[in-house]
Amino acid sequence: DVKVTQSSRYLVKRTGEKVFLECVQDMDHENMFWYRQDPGLGLRLIYFSYDVKMKEKGDIPEGYSVSREKKERFSLILESASTNQTSMYLCASTGTRAQHFGDGTRLSIL
Amino acid sequence: GQQLNQSPQSMFIQEGEDVSMNCTSSSIFNTWLWYKQDPGEGPVLLIALYKAGELTSNGRLTAQFGITRKDSFLNISASIPSDVGIYFCAGLESGGSNYKLTFGKGTLLTVNP
Repeated sequence: DVKVTQSSRYLVKRTGEKVFLECVQDMDHENMFWYRQDPGLGLRLIYFSYDVKMKEKGDIPEGYSVSREKKERFSLILESASTNQTSMYLCASTGTRAQHFGDGTRLSIL
Repeated sequence: GQQLNQSPQSMFIQEGEDVSMNCTSSSIFNTWLWYKQDPGEGPVLLIALYKAGELTSNGRLTAQFGITRKDSFLNISASIPSDVGIYFCAGLESGGSNYKLTFGKGTLLTVNP
């Protein structure tokens, strides 16, 4: 079974902090994704990566950056957290046929 | 980004009833995926469809890839309380190398025991 692991299930940070969300997959997948999920807005793509050190902006990249130094790890960075970044963050990885998600990180910015 | 039109938005049914939900798009997809998400958890893949007209079952779940490649439906037969959750469809457009999915906004299913 594909395993996508997000480092934290719940996280509380303060406005202005730099926040790191980590994601690891164990299936040697090339493609990895970060989404945020908000009520009424569905899943929105923040960034994705199709190879080590490669990154592409998704639909809502503002206020975020990413890092893909190793194939199995894809990090989402909130450079200076703001309250409107309070959300559920989902990481996903993709093999040849389907996309698999982690359990999510519920991030609250106070 | 593009959105799929997923309906219904929510459903309230009695245990034992059958359920049907669908997604439509103006774009052609070459893959349709159906996910279920429990509260506080990430989406879990239920069924993947790769060919127009394909009908695939997974236990009490059945999904079909529309012949026009612009729609898909998911049926749940004999619903049980643990079927409660949000069901998402997702489509992959033809072409491209980066495997970006387009998601529906979800169908919230409530099953009354």
